[in-house]
Amino acid sequence: EAQVTQNPRYLITVTGKKLTVTCSQNMNHEYMSWYRQDPGLGLRQIYYSMNVEVTDKGDVPEGYKVSRKEKRNFPLILESPSPNQTSLYFCASSFRAPITSGGALADTQYFGPGTRLTVL
Amino acid sequence: AQSVTQPDIHITVSEGASLELRCNYSYGATPYLFWYVQSPGQGLQLLLKYFSGDTLVQGIKGFEAEFKRSQSSFNLRKPSVHWSDAAEYFCDVGGITGNQFYFGTGTSLTVIP
Repeated sequence: EAQVTQNPRYLITVTGKKLTVTCSQNMNHEYMSWYRQDPGLGLRQIYYSMNVEVTDKGDVPEGYKVSRKEKRNFPLILESPSPNQTSLYFCASSFRAPITSGGALADTQYFGPGTRLTVL
Repeated sequence: AQSVTQPDIHITVSEGASLELRCNYSYGATPYLFWYVQSPGQGLQLLLKYFSGDTLVQGIKGFEAEFKRSQSSFNLRKPSVHWSDAAEYFCDVGGITGNQFYFGTGTSLTVIP
């Protein structure tokens, strides 16, 4: 079954304790992305990756790190979590990136089930 | 700055009534447009998308959306709402700048019997 998986689904942690949220897709997608969802703000893109070893900042990258060593995995790392990072996090993947040039078209994003993170 | 606006935070409709959810974006050219639905406790699922061509697009679950270039809008519609349509709906825009997607703040739909 084609899917995007995230782990853990729920996490409660304390300020400053490093954590990693894993994301994996089995669709051979090139583009992967992390979002956070907050009430009244919708989804905001944290980081995205065009392909292996290619990552870039989204709109809200502060306090987060990512890596893309393999095509299927795109972990989100919080080196020193703070309470303002309490949120619902979604990983997504897409066959193509939403670029406007070169004739390539943006493609549908497939979302994971979400990770609810609470930082105390 | 580029932006995606969903002016209605919350909408309540009666079952069987028609529905229109609004989405506007600020960008000069035609971007790539998507509508996603998020049921409680779930991830997002694609309803429909527009890249080019016919400005009226059909999606899953009986939804459709119309792209209006002059109004920079991509409104989602359904002729007859079912109780199972209660969810949060997000408009998403890609291809504006770089390789990012931009989401609206969402519209929460309540369906009353």
